[in-house]
Amino acid sequence: EDKVVQSPLSLVVHEGDTVTLNCSYEVTNFRSLLWYKQEKKAPTFLFMLTSSGIEKKSGRLSSILDKKELSSILNITATQTGDSAIYLCAVVSTSGTYKYIFGTGTRLKVLA
Amino acid sequence: NAGVTQTPKFRVLKTGQSMTLLCAQDMNHEYMYWYRQDPGMGLRLIHYSVGEGTTAKGEVPDGYNVSRLKKQNFLLGLESAAPSQTSVYFCASSYGGLAGPQETQYFGPGTRLLVL
Repeated sequence: EDKVVQSPLSLVVHEGDTVTLNCSYEVTNFRSLLWYKQEKKAPTFLFMLTSSGIEKKSGRLSSILDKKELSSILNITATQTGDSAIYLCAVVSTSGTYKYIFGTGTRLKVLA
Repeated sequence: NAGVTQTPKFRVLKTGQSMTLLCAQDMNHEYMYWYRQDPGMGLRLIHYSVGEGTTAKGEVPDGYNVSRLKKQNFLLGLESAAPSQTSVYFCASSYGGLAGPQETQYFGPGTRLLVL
């Protein structure tokens, strides 16, 4: 059965800290891995990683895909209170039809 | 652009009642999806649509029906609500073509449903 596991489940840090969020997967016919940020409402897209694009960076956020280890990390440097959110990882597989498998998310709280 | 919108934002139902959730997108996306999000479960796909007039079952379709009569709208129906359907429902959309959807999904703000 396809599954995506995120760790840790929750994390509390202070402003300025660096955090690393993990996402591991067991999915047949991997196509891509996506990271989303979910604050109070809708998840918003952060990054998409594929075999041809295994590293992405945007400001203080960066993400790497390790296809050998079947995992990805999301790094946030110099955290701010505005980074407080649930971070979701999703893997897209193409087993017959396109399938999105979401992890349960990591809840990050950044204290001032 | 409004992006993806959902109505209503919140609803309370009694067991056995029916209702329809509406999702609308103004990005001309081919693909649309309905998810439910429950604590500790992540987002789970209920139904999805690859184009106007077509729908398909996702991971947890039982107790729900959908329709995509217009490209911009995707409706989720509960014919006889049950307490197990208490959840937050998210609609999403994405571009698509012959090769399948482009992976980036755009989500609506969610509908919180409570079934008593």
